[in-house]
Amino acid sequence: GAVVSQHPSWVICKSGTSVKIECRSLDFQATTMFWYRQFPKQSLMLMATSNEGSKATYEQGVEKDKFLINHASLTLSTLTVTSAHPEDSSFYICSAILGTSGSADEQFFGPGTRLTVL
Amino acid sequence: AQSVAQPEDQVNVAEGNPLTVKCTYSVSGNPYLFWYVQYPNRGLQFLLKYITGDNLVKGSYGFEAEFNKSQTSFHLKKPSALVSDSALYFCAVREGPNAGNMLTFGGGTRLMVKP
Repeated sequence: GAVVSQHPSWVICKSGTSVKIECRSLDFQATTMFWYRQFPKQSLMLMATSNEGSKATYEQGVEKDKFLINHASLTLSTLTVTSAHPEDSSFYICSAILGTSGSADEQFFGPGTRLTVL
Repeated sequence: AQSVAQPEDQVNVAEGNPLTVKCTYSVSGNPYLFWYVQYPNRGLQFLLKYITGDNLVKGSYGFEAEFNKSQTSFHLKKPSALVSDSALYFCAVREGPNAGNMLTFGGGTRLMVKP
């Protein structure tokens, strides 16, 4: 149980285009999902917290107009990288909490999406 | 602010030997500590966690970790390393039981197990 999937696993796009990444909780409902970014050989940095039915909470330094997050259902959160540029190339990982944030114990991570912007 | 330090970028160990990957943390409240493993181009896989109770926590694939409050450490250990254990390991901490609280990751330690 507690499986999180991401789609696509790898995407290559031209500079200036927008890319949407999906994060799904497959066998549970997730009120809260998180989006992380990982540069090569570096750790995960939290970008934003996505709450179902409300606006995402972005970490300091993360452009909310650049990285659009939508959490329209209890099993799906999407991250859209708008007008992508080469510096946006990175590994994006999502995670989800089983149940509500007050009762859950840990985050379950997706397999990640590698974005390459040419 | 909470933080995690993994002082070693890489740990090399021979197959069959014991391994230790170090982690120290800083958090203002009760620490909830986690270890994750990441294989190339993959997401994070959960290994183990410390919430409360016994200081020695046993997890997946024969790994264990010892919570030491006085030294604010949570080192990952395994009695006998396998070549397949070679991967990137992350220690993480959050304050308290609320899974919605921020999870802060260490910089990661690459474990290389040689035959």
